[in-house]
Amino acid sequence: EDKVVQSPLSLVVHEGDTVTLNCSYEVTNFRSLLWYKQEKKAPTFLFMLTSSGIEKKSGRLSSILDKKELFSILNITATQTGDSAVYLCAGNSGGSNYKLTFGKGTLLTVNP
Amino acid sequence: NAGVTQTPKFQVLKTGQSMTLQCAQDMNHNSMYWYRQDPGMGLRLIYYSASEGTTDKGEVPNGYNVSRLNKREFSLRLESAAPSQTSVYFCASNQGSLGTQYFGPGTRLLVL
Repeated sequence: EDKVVQSPLSLVVHEGDTVTLNCSYEVTNFRSLLWYKQEKKAPTFLFMLTSSGIEKKSGRLSSILDKKELFSILNITATQTGDSAVYLCAGNSGGSNYKLTFGKGTLLTVNP
Repeated sequence: NAGVTQTPKFQVLKTGQSMTLQCAQDMNHNSMYWYRQDPGMGLRLIYYSASEGTTDKGEVPNGYNVSRLNKREFSLRLESAAPSQTSVYFCASNQGSLGTQYFGPGTRLLVL
């Protein structure tokens, strides 16, 4: 059975701090790892990672994948209150159905 | 281009009542998915449809049925609602083989 584990489950920081969110996975026929941000509504797509060691970056957010150790991290630098959300990690098991297995998420709270 | 749409946004049912949640996408995606999200549980896959005319069970299919009406539409039916089905339901559709899924706004369901 595919499994994705995120840590920590929740995190409280102050504006300006840097945070690192962790995601480990055990996914059969692994194709890709995805990160989503969820703010009290639908998850919105952040990154998709397929290759080890190649950092994906978007503004203050960046992510990297380690396919040997089966984990990914999501970094957020200079956090802002608008970064407060649940961050979800998901593994794609490939095949013809493109199913995703989601972790339980990390609740990030950024205080002013 | 509306993306993924869901109706209704919110519904209250009594135990034993039935209802159908509707989902449509206008992105010409082949694959569509139904998830439920409960506090602390992340997103759990109920059913999915890899292509028009096919449907398969996900992680938590009991108590639900689905219909892939055409390429655009994928509905989820609760035949006899139970309080354990109180949840937020998300529909998603998939772009490409690497797994990027795009989510609808969700339906909040309360079963009394």
